Amino acid sequence: AQSVTQLGSHVSVSEGALVLLRCNYSSSVPPYLFWYVQYPNQGLQLLLKYTTGATLVKGINGFEAEFKKSETSFHLTKPSAHMSDAAEYFCAVSGWNTGKLIFGQGTTLQVKP
Amino acid sequence: GAVVSQHPSRVICKSGTSVKIECRSLDFQATTMFWYRQFPKQSLMLMATSNEGSKATYEQGVEKDKFLINHASLTLSTLTVTSAHPEDSSFYICSARVRSGLVPNEQFFGPGTRLTVL
Repeated sequence: AQSVTQLGSHVSVSEGALVLLRCNYSSSVPPYLFWYVQYPNQGLQLLLKYTTGATLVKGINGFEAEFKKSETSFHLTKPSAHMSDAAEYFCAVSGWNTGKLIFGQGTTLQVKP
Repeated sequence: GAVVSQHPSRVICKSGTSVKIECRSLDFQATTMFWYRQFPKQSLMLMATSNEGSKATYEQGVEKDKFLINHASLTLSTLTVTSAHPEDSSFYICSARVRSGLVPNEQFFGPGTRLTVL
């Protein structure tokens, strides 16, 4: 069984500040991990993904995430927030033996001027 | 590449009518498509997994007779909400998995369909 927990349903940062969105997962098999962004009334856009190999993964728009097996975490970071980063962010987990994505509850990122 | 479209983007219908939503992979073949439902301010809930040429697999609690899924080709899956009621109002999102994808289990998402049942 797999599950995802996103700590903090709402995160607010100032423009230019560090963005940190937390994601912890549970998986009985080696996980594949994803971060998606969703803008209002739109579908999901993939930010980055981890399958195997390098544990620090770089994605689009300056985001990156680090897979830490010992902490079962896959936190998303960005050094400097931009107003356009305001959106809903979803962490998701999948396993090699299943094609399903299990999503976290989502985190709303607010960026203040 | 890897573009998924949905049609319509929004639909309003009367209670008791049926509504069909199309999901198309525009530039790739998708052996598997997924249908999700998303309520306001909530996460995506998987409704069913649709494999080309076979019956869809529904998640627990999803009524297969109410949410009819057809995956007739490698580029098209449809979701029909039969006898829709106001509680079926939601944002429906489909996704597609590349047939021979380099990244295991990566899904590409459509833009979603907003269904409002009056």
